[in-house]
Amino acid sequence: TQLLEQSPQFLSIQEGENLTVYCNSSSVFSSLQWYRQEPGEGPVLLVTVVTGGEVKKLKRLTFQFGDARKDSSLHITAAQPGDTGLYLCAGVGEDSSYKLIFGSGTRLLVRP
Amino acid sequence: GAVVSQHPSRVICKSGTSVKIECRSLDFQATTMFWYRQFPKQSLMLMATSNEGSKATYEQGVEKDKFLINHASLTLSTLTVTSAHPEDSSFYICSARDGPSNQPQHFGDGTRLSIL
Repeated sequence: TQLLEQSPQFLSIQEGENLTVYCNSSSVFSSLQWYRQEPGEGPVLLVTVVTGGEVKKLKRLTFQFGDARKDSSLHITAAQPGDTGLYLCAGVGEDSSYKLIFGSGTRLLVRP
Repeated sequence: GAVVSQHPSRVICKSGTSVKIECRSLDFQATTMFWYRQFPKQSLMLMATSNEGSKATYEQGVEKDKFLINHASLTLSTLTVTSAHPEDSSFYICSARDGPSNQPQHFGDGTRLSIL
């Protein structure tokens, strides 16, 4: 069974601070995605990383895929209250199922 | 962009009732649809995968007789929670994909099911 562990589970920071969320597994993934979810809504895709070592930037968000494709990180610079939400990583396994396996989630609260 | 619509967005019903949730792809053909369940403050757990015209594949621990999935067309999948009980209360989310596994999944906005 492929598992994705995210850390921290919960993060409360002041507006303007930087933060990093980690997504780790013992399994290799063919690709990994990051989502953000608001309460009562479905998750919204932020980015997909495919190549080991790949780094993608989306405004103040920087995503990195580990060299071995087992882990990923999300770094937010100068966090804003609008960044508040549940951040989920999700990996596509290398087996034939091609299922999307979601991480345990990180709940971020950015205080004004 | 690809849009997935879920209906209803919220259901409140009595214990023992069967509830049907619809998931529609509005502007693309969904060869594969997925159903997830999410408890408060937790992540999404995959319940089952359905391909158009064939039986759904359920994840371990998910009762197929309890959660009936039908994917009769390329734009519609339904999840029926049969004889629902309070422990079935949860947030149910569907997603749809057009084509092979390297295509992204598009998520619906979820259905909040509350069983009294």
